[in-house]
Amino acid sequence: QVRLVQSGAEVKKPGASVKVSCKASGYTFIDSYIHWVRQAPGQGLEWMGVINPSGGSTRYIKKFQGRISMTRDTSANTVYVDLNSLRPEDTAVYYCARDDGSSSPLEYWGQGTLVTVSS
Amino acid sequence: SYVLTQPPSLSVAPGETATITCGGNNIGDEAVHWYQQRPGQAPVVVVYLDSARPSGIPERFSGSNSGNTATLTISRVEAGDEADYYCQVWDTNSDHRVFGGGTKLTVL
Repeated sequence: QVRLVQSGAEVKKPGASVKVSCKASGYTFIDSYIHWVRQAPGQGLEWMGVINPSGGSTRYIKKFQGRISMTRDTSANTVYVDLNSLRPEDTAVYYCARDDGSSSPLEYWGQGTLVTVSS
Repeated sequence: SYVLTQPPSLSVAPGETATITCGGNNIGDEAVHWYQQRPGQAPVVVVYLDSARPSGIPERFSGSNSGNTATLTISRVEAGDEADYYCQVWDTNSDHRVFGGGTKLTVL
């Protein structure tokens, strides 16, 4: 069965960087795009961007450009999101999620990783 | 960028029908997906491609989409349906996924 397993919770100071991983199993890793979605405490879902594990191409929303990097390791079936220059407002649960095409839903989700940014 | 508008909250008595709307410019031309999120859990797809239902989702969940409004309808609401619900589309202009702000469904 399809599984996305994320790395554990992180606590970071403002200005630091965080790297969250998402390990995929149960399907051919390069066949499906992986998205990152975050949710601040008590807030809604925010789509951050997407990576194509096959070629490594990425797309990010404008608010994160310059601060975000999504990468993948095909030998480990794992994708990563790296967010730098962290601010307290980056405190959120970060989810990875898989789709089966541009018009398909995000059918499979990781369990979420809480990133706390606090001095 | 494309904006999806949902009512922040909705309260329904058990056994009644919950109707959650998602407004967007010509959203009827887009494929809309709906997610249910319970506290502390990842979202789960309850309706996709406007009106299709994944296996395991009760028939009580249905969807429609026309004009400027997409709708998620939950018939015969149960206590277990209490959750946050989000609509989502693929904005072809920006090639981004977009979520609505979410609707908190309270079962009285």
